[in-house]
Amino acid sequence: QKEVEQNSGPLSVPEGAIASLNCTYSDRGSQSFFWYRQYSGKSPELIMSIYSNGDKEDGRFTAQLNKASQYVSLLIRDSQPSDSATYLCAVTPEPPNDYKLSFGAGTTVTVRA
Amino acid sequence: ETGVTQTPRHLVMGMTNKKSLKCEQHLGHNAMYWYKQSAKKPLELMFVYSLEERVENNSVPSRFSPECPNSSHLFLHLHTLQPEDSALYLCASSQEQGVITEAFFGQGTRLTVV
Repeated sequence: QKEVEQNSGPLSVPEGAIASLNCTYSDRGSQSFFWYRQYSGKSPELIMSIYSNGDKEDGRFTAQLNKASQYVSLLIRDSQPSDSATYLCAVTPEPPNDYKLSFGAGTTVTVRA
Repeated sequence: ETGVTQTPRHLVMGMTNKKSLKCEQHLGHNAMYWYKQSAKKPLELMFVYSLEERVENNSVPSRFSPECPNSSHLFLHLHTLQPEDSALYLCASSQEQGVITEAFFGQGTRLTVV
């Protein structure tokens, strides 16, 4: 079983709609959860971090964490063409491996104008 | 200069060459990482340095040799690489405080082995 799993997509949404991205992880003791955005040919850019169950909102982005279900999601409201990118889910395993991040393969999002 | 800086941005090398990738972070972090990103694959962790000590190797081939002279600098020395080593090599840094905090990436070095 992969440590972090994401649907590869592509996920195509019309401009102004909500894009919903999902991520599951295998290590039940994982502590920290991150979403990165990566434009083609560029490096990953951190957009959200979440550490406790529930929702965390930052502008048009909302991260949702459910540790019991080992599930973390990212919602992008009012999607814009500039949101077209690959979104990477990253998870910190439980100690003693909590010094590293495990990444999913990423979900490619395309926002149609 | 701020953030995480990697040089060179692009590198083409033959299989018999020796080259080095450089990473410098200006964030005051105490942990640095090398990741490899190949097409259609997840980011692969290669090396982790925490407080300048190598914490993990992840069974990377010996043709890749890391060096961390201080908490702000990280190198990846390359020799006798194979074409399948062509990839985007990313450096990242973070502040380790019991639990890892956010990791920030450099712009990467696009490596092509010919």
